[in-house]
Parts: sequence; C-alpha cells; structure tokens
Amino acid sequence: AQTVTQSQPEMSVQEAETVTLSCTYDTSENNYYLFWYKQPPSRQMILVIRQEAYKQQNATENRFSVNFQKAAKSFSLKISDSQLGDTAMYFCAFMKQRAGGTSYGKLTFGQGTILTVHP
Amino acid sequence: KAGVTQTPRYLIKTRGQQVTLSCSPISGHRSVSWYQQTPGQGLQFLFEYFSETQRNKGNFPGRFSGRQFSNSRSEMNVSTLELGDSALYLCASSLTQGRAEAFFGQGTRLTVV
Repeated sequence: AQTVTQSQPEMSVQEAETVTLSCTYDTSENNYYLFWYKQPPSRQMILVIRQEAYKQQNATENRFSVNFQKAAKSFSLKISDSQLGDTAMYFCAFMKQRAGGTSYGKLTFGQGTILTVHP
Repeated sequence: KAGVTQTPRYLIKTRGQQVTLSCSPISGHRSVSWYQQTPGQGLQFLFEYFSETQRNKGNFPGRFSGRQFSNSRSEMNVSTLELGDSALYLCASSLTQGRAEAFFGQGTRLTVV
C-alpha cells in the first residue's frame, strides 16, 4: 500500500514571495504519477501540477514547479511570486501506473497543507 | 467542455436513511472515482468504476456502494446512514489512457442528523 505524508499542516507567505510545500511518499511501485492539487475555500479540487515517475525532469506550470527526488521519495511544490488567489489547502497525491501507461484511477492523498498568502 | 457535475450539492439526511449521489464525468472520460473528505480522516478513496465495472475499492463498509452506467455516469449509495457519514463526497473522472489527471466535481456535502 502507498502512503503520502505532508509534514506541514499550515504555511504562510507574503504576497510575491516564494514558498515550498513538502511531500514524501512510500511505495514499492516503480511506475507511478504524483500530483499536487489545490482546494480553495470553494472546495473545488483543482489540479496544479503532475509528474510521471519515469521522468527525471521536474515538472513546471507557470509559477508552480516541483522538486522530484525519486530515490528519496520526495515531491515538493514550489510556488513563486505568490498571489492572494493561491490561498488554499494543497494536497499531494499518488497514483499507481498500470502496464501500458494507463492509470489505476485511484489517488492516495496526503493530509494537506493549508497555505495562506498575506498581502 | 463541461466539467464533472455532481448532484445534489447539499443534502441533509436522518440517521438510518439511505442516500444516492450522482456524478456525470467529463465527456469521453470512462473512469469515475469517489472520495470521502472529512476533517478527521482527510481524503479517502471509496471506489473506482471503469466501463461499468468496479476496478478498485477502498476500505469502507458494505453500506457504501456504487455503480456506473453505459454513458459513464456514476452513482454512489450509502444505506443506513450514520452520523459519521457526514462528509464532502467528491467524484473525479479521468481518461486512464495517456495523461492520468483526475478532474474533480464540486462535491456533495452530506450532513447526517
């Protein structure tokens, strides 16, 4: 079974600054996907960024980037130039990959980190 | 393209009753997963359906069940409701082939009184 751990229950950052959210996971699988999801007060779960385990290159999406360390089973999220709209709960999530590159469709989530961006 | 639609958005039920929640996935998505979100337990996987078949099941009692129809729409049912079933129930759909992102609906907030 997989486990995902987010050790920071809460974080805060000033607008325009950079913040890094931590995530570690445990799995015996070699092929999998990792995700960061954002859940603002509206409760809508929004995908922020994804990473395939077989790719060494770290994923980036505009102001969001990850530091993926497969051997250390670490997957941190860096948010640059933080904006007030980034205030949300952030979840790290794991999904096994089936043979042939398809997914299992089941996400295992961490406990979440509440991020508050201050003006 | 329409997103994942969950109905109803809010529901209040009495202990012992049963409830059915509905989820319409993004057009073309054949995998639908359900999650329960509570402050104490966080996000927990309930089950996943693909082509009308349950592929994965989480660690929930048999009171929780689901199904998927030929148009990929899914329903989940909770029978004999307990106070502890109060939660936000989230549905997600995905392609399963290629890019593996799961896209979530806005959830159904169930309150059991």
